[in-house]
Amino acid sequence: AQSVAQPEDQVNVAEGNPLTVKCTYSVSGNPYLFWYVQYPNRGLQFLLKYITGDNLVKGSYGFEAEFNKSQTSFHLKKPSALVSDSALYFCAVRVLSGGYQKVTFGTGTKLQVIP
Amino acid sequence: GAVVSQHPSRVICKSGTSVKIECRSLDFQATTMFWYRQFPKQSLMLMATSNEGSKATYEQGVEKDKFLINHASLTLSTLTVTSAHPEDSSFYICSARGDNNSPLHFGNGTRLTVT
Repeated sequence: AQSVAQPEDQVNVAEGNPLTVKCTYSVSGNPYLFWYVQYPNRGLQFLLKYITGDNLVKGSYGFEAEFNKSQTSFHLKKPSALVSDSALYFCAVRVLSGGYQKVTFGTGTKLQVIP
Repeated sequence: GAVVSQHPSRVICKSGTSVKIECRSLDFQATTMFWYRQFPKQSLMLMATSNEGSKATYEQGVEKDKFLINHASLTLSTLTVTSAHPEDSSFYICSARGDNNSPLHFGNGTRLTVT
């Protein structure tokens, strides 16, 4: 069964510092990997995805993520954090299996950017 | 970009009544829509997968007769919480996807409070 782990419930970072939100996954096939952001009482917004190709994926709002197959990780990064980046971040993996797609989300990591 | 509209954003109802939540894809055709429930400080729980013109596929533990899902067109899916009880109070989020390579696009969610 596929699974996604976000080991940190919360990440605190000072404004202007680089940030990393960790994600590891476990799947039996080739994964499609995603990051989503959720602001309070809102749905999720798509940030970026990895399907194939370059391991470094660039997404919205200056975020990027690096796919590491050997470590089965897909950490979200940003060189310089903004206070407005404070939100809940979800990593997700989608696997195609026999024509059926299943998406599994991590438990979410709350990012707090401190002014 | 792709937009999913979810309505209402907030609803308060009395115990025993039914509530309908609508999810619309505004600028793309969504062959598949998903309904999630989010508990405080927890990840998204997939309730059901809805394919246009066919019966929804419910996840284990989700009561089909209580959470009625209809996907009558390629742009509209509805979730009806029947005979609502206080324990049904939660944040419900819909998502939709165009083709198989597209990411999920989420509605803004509906905060349901059952008194």
